[in-house]
Amino acid sequence: SQQGEEDPQALSIQEGENATMNCSYKTSINNLQWYRQNSGRGLVHLILIRSNEREKHSGRLRVTLDTSKKSSSLLITASRAADTASYFCATDVGDSSYKLIFGSGTRLLVRP
Amino acid sequence: AAGVIQSPRHLIKEKRETATLKCYPIPRHDTVYWYQQGPGQDPQFLISFYEKMQSDKGSIPDRFSAQQFSDYHSELNMSSLELGDSALYFCASSPRRTYNEQFFGPGTRLTVL
Repeated sequence: SQQGEEDPQALSIQEGENATMNCSYKTSINNLQWYRQNSGRGLVHLILIRSNEREKHSGRLRVTLDTSKKSSSLLITASRAADTASYFCATDVGDSSYKLIFGSGTRLLVRP
Repeated sequence: AAGVIQSPRHLIKEKRETATLKCYPIPRHDTVYWYQQGPGQDPQFLISFYEKMQSDKGSIPDRFSAQQFSDYHSELNMSSLELGDSALYFCASSPRRTYNEQFFGPGTRLTVL
């Protein structure tokens, strides 16, 4: 990936458990976004966190951002089988370009 | 709510053929982005347009060209197709060139045989 890495690359958990995915990036950013992708399908926007924010919640999702460490985490609480998907973080590169640079993604499997 | 529309959804071409992918952004979105996602890869930025002008260019091969039309829809033209061009091609749109979320279409799956 051009911008950073996500870890773990793959995660398998039981339904009802929490899932945590981490993302690291390299450059200064204006915001960081998380997207979800079901196998071979489109990218669904989950949440956006701006560089001056440290934490954001949306339903069962909690995102944190640590700009000093250039890292972010996505927590999905009380996971469901329907949460099975790949999760990508994406950032701008802070150079007045608005393109998104994606991390390598985490494949999440939630076992029923 | 209206979403980004991409057509066709699936496309099969032979090597050295030409393909045209179309993208219709969400109404009142004037910025369009194109991304390519190879098998098992993360999406890679190709090119973007704002108000019908090219605004940014990524790792787009010279064999590819794109434009945005007066109604803000965009087309990605791909010539001399190679096997390695087989991928999912996503279009995303956003209102104005801002650091806000980009809304992605369902993608066009291109298979080059």
